[in-house]
Amino acid sequence: EAGVAQSPRYKIIEKRQSVAFWCNPISGHATLYWYQQILGQGPKLLIQFQNNGVVDDSQLPKDRFSAERLKGVDSTLKIQPAKLEDSAVYLCASTTTGSPLHFGNGTRLTVT
Amino acid sequence: AQSVSQHNHHVILSEAASLELGCNYSYGGTVNLFWYVQYPGQHLQLLLKYFSGDPLVKGIKGFEAEFIKSKFSFNLRKPSVQWSDTAEYFCATLSGGSYIPTFGRGTSLIVHP
Repeated sequence: EAGVAQSPRYKIIEKRQSVAFWCNPISGHATLYWYQQILGQGPKLLIQFQNNGVVDDSQLPKDRFSAERLKGVDSTLKIQPAKLEDSAVYLCASTTTGSPLHFGNGTRLTVT
Repeated sequence: AQSVSQHNHHVILSEAASLELGCNYSYGGTVNLFWYVQYPGQHLQLLLKYFSGDPLVKGIKGFEAEFIKSKFSFNLRKPSVQWSDTAEYFCATLSGGSYIPTFGRGTSLIVHP
C-alpha cells in the first residue's frame, strides 16, 4: 500500500511570498487532514476534509491560509502571504473508517 | 475542548533502561487513544492504539500502554529501551464523537548506547 505523498519536502521563502503544498492521500481514504507542526510542539490541526467537503477549519487562519480538495482525492494547502511564524512542518494525513491516521513525510517550510 | 498532556518533554536514558512516558487526556466520555512515534527525518507512525477491551495494549517494537480510565491516563512503557528508540513520541486522542485527532506536544526521547 502506497503511503501519503507530500511535496515538496522542503521550501524556503521570504515573508510576504506565497507558497503551496500538495498532498496525495492513500487510495480510498475519504478523510484528509492538514496539520501544522511547529518545532517543539505536537501537530495542530488546520483543516479536515471528508471527500471534497470541509468538516472542520476552525483553526485555519483564513486571512492567509486556504485549502482545497476539489475532486475528493488530492489536496493543496496555500499560504499567502507568509509570515515568519508560519515556519513549521506541514503534515498531511489520511484515514478511513476504523483506520488510524497515516501521515506523509511533511513539508518543512522556512520563512525568512 | 479535549486536550492531551504529556508531562515529560525531554527524556534521556541509557540502553536497557526502562521507559515510561506519561499521557493524560481531558475528555470524560468514550475515547480512542494512540501513541505515535516520529524517528529522526521520518514521518509519524502509529505505535499502538486503544479503542476498547483490554486496557493493556501491546504495540510494535516492544512498546505497550495501559489505559487507566480513573486516572484519565494512557502511559507508554517499554521494559528495556534501545538506541534505535531515539525519537519523538506523541500521544493522541479521538473523543466525543469527533474524528479529529488531538495531539500532545510530544516527548523527545534520547537513548544513549
